[in-house]
Amino acid sequence: QVQLQQWGAGLLKPSETLSLTCAVYGESFSGYYWSWIRQPPGKGLEWIGEINHYGSTNYNPSLKSRVTILVDTSKNQFSLKLTSVTAADTAVYFCARVGVAPITYFFYHMDVWGKGSTVTVSS
Amino acid sequence: QSVLTQPPSVSGAPGQRVTISCSGSSSNIGSNTVNWYQQLPGAAPKLLIYSDNQRPSGVPDRFSDSKSGTSASLAISGLQSEDEADYYCAAWDDSLNGLYVFGTGTKVTVL
Repeated sequence: QVQLQQWGAGLLKPSETLSLTCAVYGESFSGYYWSWIRQPPGKGLEWIGEINHYGSTNYNPSLKSRVTILVDTSKNQFSLKLTSVTAADTAVYFCARVGVAPITYFFYHMDVWGKGSTVTVSS
Repeated sequence: QSVLTQPPSVSGAPGQRVTISCSGSSSNIGSNTVNWYQQLPGAAPKLLIYSDNQRPSGVPDRFSDSKSGTSASLAISGLQSEDEADYYCAAWDDSLNGLYVFGTGTKVTVL
């Protein structure tokens, strides 16, 4: 049974870089896409982007200029970096598995989620 | 940035049936399957329904959905206190280079 464990810095100052990592346990890392989603306090969910074990990425256009998602297949981990953060980036960040393999966007969904990491941006 | 529209809240008494609507467009619901997620307070979202009408193992058949054109709806029958949560619809959107879009979210309250 696959489990996702995520971690990273929880408090950032404006203009710093957000960095989170998600480790995958219990199932094959390859063959799937892995994604990041965020949720500002009291608001809805926003898809940030995705990556597969080859390092192929796809980003939300609204964040693309500031986002990098990386993969480390030797550790079954993937990571999120978001540069030049502002208060608007304050949110709970979730990692998740895209539950369609091979990837088929018609059926795209996230079937396994991490518990979430709270990131606060404040001066 | 939600492009799928849901009512902010719905409520019902235990045992009743409630429905949540989700309105999209031809580039998302009109082109791809709809998924529904349940988010309990303080928890991560949980996949409730995927690929229009499939339920992951463990999700009771009290939850069902339907789709017509660019709209979808989630129905919860036999409402229970543990169903009190936020619910989000979602679908892949083919616009631009493609992205996954979520609904605005609906709070279900069990009276």
